[in-house]
Amino acid sequence: QKEVEQDPGPLSVPEGAIVSLNCTYSNSAFQYFMWYRQYSRKGPELLMYTYSSGNKEDGRFTAQVDKSSKYISLFIRDSQPSDSATYLCAIRAGGTSYGKLTFGQGTILTVHP
Amino acid sequence: DTGVSQNPRHKITKRGQNVTFRCDPISEHNRLYWYRQTLGQGPEFLTYFQNEAQLEKSRLLSDRFSAERPKGSFSTLEIQRTEQGDSAMYLCASSPGTGFQETQYFGPGTRLLVL
Repeated sequence: QKEVEQDPGPLSVPEGAIVSLNCTYSNSAFQYFMWYRQYSRKGPELLMYTYSSGNKEDGRFTAQVDKSSKYISLFIRDSQPSDSATYLCAIRAGGTSYGKLTFGQGTILTVHP
Repeated sequence: DTGVSQNPRHKITKRGQNVTFRCDPISEHNRLYWYRQTLGQGPEFLTYFQNEAQLEKSRLLSDRFSAERPKGSFSTLEIQRTEQGDSAMYLCASSPGTGFQETQYFGPGTRLLVL
């Protein structure tokens, strides 16, 4: 079993839809949670960073963490064609605020006009 | 504003050859990470440096792989006797090494194809 599980999709939605992306993890030591966006043939870029249970909002993006269920989510409101990309959840163990990231498989999202 | 740069962007080699990739981190970032990403998968951690010290290596990093970061600036990743299974995107990331919530900034990657 992988430490971080993410549904690879692909997910196809119409422009303006609300998108929900999810990951589950198995290691209770994971304390820091991130979402990266990766466009085709590019490196990942950080979208959201959280370290506690609850919600964090940034514009059209909301990250949600439920440590009791070991479940994290990213919601995209009013999705745009430019949001079409692969979304990767990434998790890091606690103890230090730096170190290796463990990534999910990535979910391929397409937003069509 | 310069981000993380990686060279070459693409490399095609024959099985058994050696290859070397270079990563230039964001200026003054003292942590540098290497990851490998295969098609349809998320990046997998290979190794990381704090300044010139290599602090952690994944078991994915077989003895054919070696990474260096002389003088704590750029880093190189060498793969000796390449195998077809080494075909992947090799990603480098750097972080400032300060602050509570460390952010890793990724480069565009080097795509390796071993024939």
